[in-house]
Amino acid sequence: DADVTQTPRNRITKTGKRIMLECSQTKGHDRMYWYRQDPGLGLRLIYYSFDVKDINKGEISDGYSVSRQAQAKFSLSLESAIPNQTALYFCATSESTGGTDTQYFGPGTRLTVL
Amino acid sequence: GNSVTQMEGPVTLSEEAFLTINCTYTATGYPSLFWYVQYPGEGLQLLLKATKADDKGSNKGFEATYRKETTSFHLEKGSVQVSDSAVYFCALTPRWTGRRALTFGSGTRLQVQP
Repeated sequence: DADVTQTPRNRITKTGKRIMLECSQTKGHDRMYWYRQDPGLGLRLIYYSFDVKDINKGEISDGYSVSRQAQAKFSLSLESAIPNQTALYFCATSESTGGTDTQYFGPGTRLTVL
Repeated sequence: GNSVTQMEGPVTLSEEAFLTINCTYTATGYPSLFWYVQYPGEGLQLLLKATKADDKGSNKGFEATYRKETTSFHLEKGSVQVSDSAVYFCALTPRWTGRRALTFGSGTRLQVQP
């Protein structure tokens, strides 16, 4: 079984709808992240959480919210989806060791907003 | 702020050719440096990393050396295979700060032809 899972893997929705993307991990890591990937822009950080009670905005948090329900679960919500939120979304986890963070990524969720 | 610049792709090579993908960075202090690889339809996987100047990261025949004087972390492989076709991302994370999320380059697509 995969260590980091994301559901759904694909989603098509309409403008104005509320969408939730879910991420679960079995790696036992305390840190979790949400990124979006757009062609030619690499990955950009939306939100990150260093433990259940510690949630922080990334560089592109506008229009998104998150919930860290447990150490193993981190959900991303789009309260009112718009077409420019069409992208590939990745969840990642990490556990700091020796002053560096190696991140482990889920398979991604492809979201299309019509 | 932190930033990563990668050469634009796609890079198209014949099998057994030599590969170099350039990566330069801007960061305060001494970041840790990473190369991640994304195979078609999959999430990102850590390929290699280096945590201090002159360190060489290596994995699966790929190598990259942390060059502080030129702020570079170029990815090299002596003989590429068709199975190396993927998108490669250079990334950094600052060290010795309380918040360590990755900053990514825009990615370089590698296409290896038989």
